[in-house]
Amino acid sequence: AQSVTQLDSHVSVSEGTPVLLRCNYSSSYSPSLFWYVQHPNKGLQLLLKYTSAATLVKGINGFEAEFKKSETSFHLTKPSAHMSDAAEYFCVVSDTGTASKLTFGTGTRLQVTL
Amino acid sequence: SQTIHQWPATLVQPVGSPLSLECTVEGTSNPNLYWYRQAAGRGLQLLFYSVGIGQISSEVPQNLSASRPQDRQFILSSKKLLLSDSGFYLCAWSETFYEQYFGPGTRLTVT
Repeated sequence: AQSVTQLDSHVSVSEGTPVLLRCNYSSSYSPSLFWYVQHPNKGLQLLLKYTSAATLVKGINGFEAEFKKSETSFHLTKPSAHMSDAAEYFCVVSDTGTASKLTFGTGTRLQVTL
Repeated sequence: SQTIHQWPATLVQPVGSPLSLECTVEGTSNPNLYWYRQAAGRGLQLLFYSVGIGQISSEVPQNLSASRPQDRQFILSSKKLLLSDSGFYLCAWSETFYEQYFGPGTRLTVT
C-alpha cells in the first residue's frame, strides 16, 4: 500500500523568502510522485512530477522538488516566495496499476505575507 | 491541446433531490477518467474511475453512481442526495499511468 504524509498543515513565509513544503512517502514499488497546487475554489494544477528520471525535478512558477529514496522524501522548494504562491499544496504518489490511482496527502496551506 | 470541462460550476440542491454532474474532455482519445470529492478542509477522495466506455470502478460505497456513455464524457449521479454529499467535486483525466489533469470543479451544497 502507498501513502503520503505532508508534515506541515500550514506554512507561513514572507514574500521574497524561501519556501519549503515537506512530504514523505511510502510505497512498495518505485513510485511516481507529484506536487499539485490548488487555489481557492479552483481545480488542481500540476506543479511538477517525478517518474524515475532525474531526482531533481523542476516545475512551473519556479518550484522544484528533490526525490530522496534513502529518506523517502519529496520536498517542494522555491527560492523566493511570491504573493501569488499562496494556496493549498498537495503531495501525491501514484500507483502504476491498470488506471493510475493517486494517493493524496492532506495538503499544506501556504500563506505568504508582506 | 487537451481541455477538461465540468458543469455546473456551482449547485444548490435540497436533500432527497437527484444529481447529475457532467465532465467532458477534449483533445484526447480513450482517456482514463476519475471523479473525486473534496470535503471542506480535507484532501481528495477518489470516488470512481473509468478506463473505457461503460467501464466504471467504484472506490467508496455510497449513494453516488457514475457512468461513461461516451469516450470523453463522465457523469456523476445520485437518485437522492444526502447532506453528507456536499462538497467540491473534481473530474480528472489521464492519458498514461502517471499524472492526472483536473477540471475546474463543481461546488455542491445540499440543503
